[in-house]
Amino acid sequence: AQSVSQHNHHVILSEAASLELGCNYSYGGTVNLFWYVQYPGQHLQLLLKYFSGDPLVKGIKGFEAEFIKSKFSFNLRKPSVQWSDTAEYFCAVNTAGGADGLTFGKGTHLIIQP
Amino acid sequence: SAVISQKPSRDICQRGTSLTIQCQVDSQVTMMFWYRQQPGQSLTLIATANQGSEATYESGFVIDKFPISRPNLTFSTLTVSNMSPEDSSIYLCSVEQGDSYGYTFGSGTRLTVV
Repeated sequence: AQSVSQHNHHVILSEAASLELGCNYSYGGTVNLFWYVQYPGQHLQLLLKYFSGDPLVKGIKGFEAEFIKSKFSFNLRKPSVQWSDTAEYFCAVNTAGGADGLTFGKGTHLIIQP
Repeated sequence: SAVISQKPSRDICQRGTSLTIQCQVDSQVTMMFWYRQQPGQSLTLIATANQGSEATYESGFVIDKFPISRPNLTFSTLTVSNMSPEDSSIYLCSVEQGDSYGYTFGSGTRLTVV
């Protein structure tokens, strides 16, 4: 079974700061990787995903993530955050080619101070 | 991507009663998934529902407690049976839409058991 570890549970940054949220997974096979965002009072939205190919994935709202297979990592980055990025961020994984649901990390609560 | 409607959006229920949550999708999908998000926690997969077959439950979840129906390719229900305060959570349905969209989530049902 897979597991996902998100290192930072709470992150506080100032506007325009750079962001990197860590995500590591545990699974011996090939995986699909996802980052979801949950803004206050809203439902989960897909930020970006990695299935195969270029390990640097660009998503919506200026976010990107890099899949490093040797490190079992899929860290989320944004060069300059905005106050509107305040949200909960979830890393998730499932088995590549499978029809299974997602295994989520515990989430990172990001607060951007104006 | 698909649009998912969940009903009810929230409910307050007495312990010992049952609540059925409905999930309607605006397009036909093979796989539907049900998750639970306990207060301050991440999402945990409850079960996977395929049309025409019994749902597949994850470890720690049983059919007697969380019966699921999947009568067609656009609809599913999750029942939370014999509720206790520990069942207070947000329950979400999700569908898998292939490589282009990944997994889409409904807005959730916020359940409080008193």
